[in-house]
Amino acid sequence: DSGVTQTPKHLITATGQRVTLRCSPRSGDLSVYWYQQSLDQGLQFLIQYYNGEERAKGNILERFSAQQFPDLHSELNLSSLELGDSALYFCASSPLTAGDIDTQYFGPGTRLTVL
Amino acid sequence: AQSVTQPDIHITVSEGASLELRCNYSYGATPYLFWYVQSPGQGLQLLLKYFSGDTLVQGIKGFEAEFKRSQSSFNLRKPSVHWSDAAEYFCAVGVQGAQKLVFGQGTRLTINP
Repeated sequence: DSGVTQTPKHLITATGQRVTLRCSPRSGDLSVYWYQQSLDQGLQFLIQYYNGEERAKGNILERFSAQQFPDLHSELNLSSLELGDSALYFCASSPLTAGDIDTQYFGPGTRLTVL
Repeated sequence: AQSVTQPDIHITVSEGASLELRCNYSYGATPYLFWYVQSPGQGLQLLLKYFSGDTLVQGIKGFEAEFKRSQSSFNLRKPSVHWSDAAEYFCAVGVQGAQKLVFGQGTRLTINP
């Protein structure tokens, strides 16, 4: 158990809908990362937040957004869902106290299925 | 751009045999390298990491990896595999400044009894 929690574990929804994925980082970690794992793209970095502020952005679609709250939990919002958004979404956290690369600890993931 | 290549998509070994999973990276600066394992239906668990220092690093579950700068490689090894090692293994490089991990495509390991 990494200490990172994600809810829900599974999510099934229809095209055009909007969903919210939730992540709670390890105790004391200030940085949260979101990744998408799909069969065709593999594991792709989406976005990073550090202490409530967006720090880095990857291949995140405009239909997707994220935020990190004062209690450090984070939410990933996916809207206007398409079939191709079906994937496993991981959250990771790290202390990132030095502003450099740090070890990222991953949650169990949320499996999103868009029908 | 940074990239990680895991040449073997699928490897099958017998229980008790030795294992080596290959990883090659492309990165202009000093790499921060990681190996993660993903069991079916599970998240990613960190096996080991290399930031600096001794190029042979020890990890959990009896795994080790060796960083070879001249070959841009970070291969994962285990002297004797167990059935519980069946999983997917991912090599990753940490990108400074961008604060992200770039992952390889993964190697699926199957263990024959």
